[in-house]
Amino acid sequence: DAGITQSPRHKVTETGTPVTLRCHQTENHRYMYWYRQDPGHGLRLIHYSYGVKDTDKGEVSDGYSVSRSKTEDFLLTLESATSSQTSVYFCAISNPEGGNEQFFGPGTRLTVL
Amino acid sequence: RKEVEQDPGPFNVPEGATVAFNCTYSNSASQSFFWYRQDCRKEPKLLMSVYSSGNEDGRFTAQLNRASQYISLLIRDSKLSDSATYLCVVNPGSARQLTFGSGTQLTVLP
Repeated sequence: DAGITQSPRHKVTETGTPVTLRCHQTENHRYMYWYRQDPGHGLRLIHYSYGVKDTDKGEVSDGYSVSRSKTEDFLLTLESATSSQTSVYFCAISNPEGGNEQFFGPGTRLTVL
Repeated sequence: RKEVEQDPGPFNVPEGATVAFNCTYSNSASQSFFWYRQDCRKEPKLLMSVYSSGNEDGRFTAQLNRASQYISLLIRDSKLSDSATYLCVVNPGSARQLTFGSGTQLTVLP
């Protein structure tokens, strides 16, 4: 299995609070991604990164920001959490020298009350 | 129209059965195709890539029809452990991004 960890694995928070999720990889892959998964929608891309300090928006980026100061860490921040951001969040990595396959972390289950 | 469409199922089949999943994609410029497997409350895991010539990995066979923009996954001799959701995944041609179908749920019954 690819060396990807996510923290925290579970979090319950209140509407209006900021939340930061962390993705950490030991594979030295250049590309990292944040997705959310909701019933009926499948996986949707929030933001991705193609290198340190290089990030771009995905399909559902409103209300989220990201930062990548080191190759191994990709942070997702919910600036002011809303109940619509209750979801399961997955981080993924891919290697530009390989194919387009992505490998996923174990996920973070976030509940916003 | 969704970019990647799958029959959500559920498919309930007995052990030993053969089951086939289909998927269509809308972007004719799509370059790479995959099947992922996702167990309940777990992360998606790559099952196999799909090549134009079709490819097989043990009991699993994947096929791609670019003209019809159609991908299939065939599972032979189903095992209880095959119970999962199968995600059809397409690289739409943009920088290393993937588009995921909503998944097809399979339950293999004893």
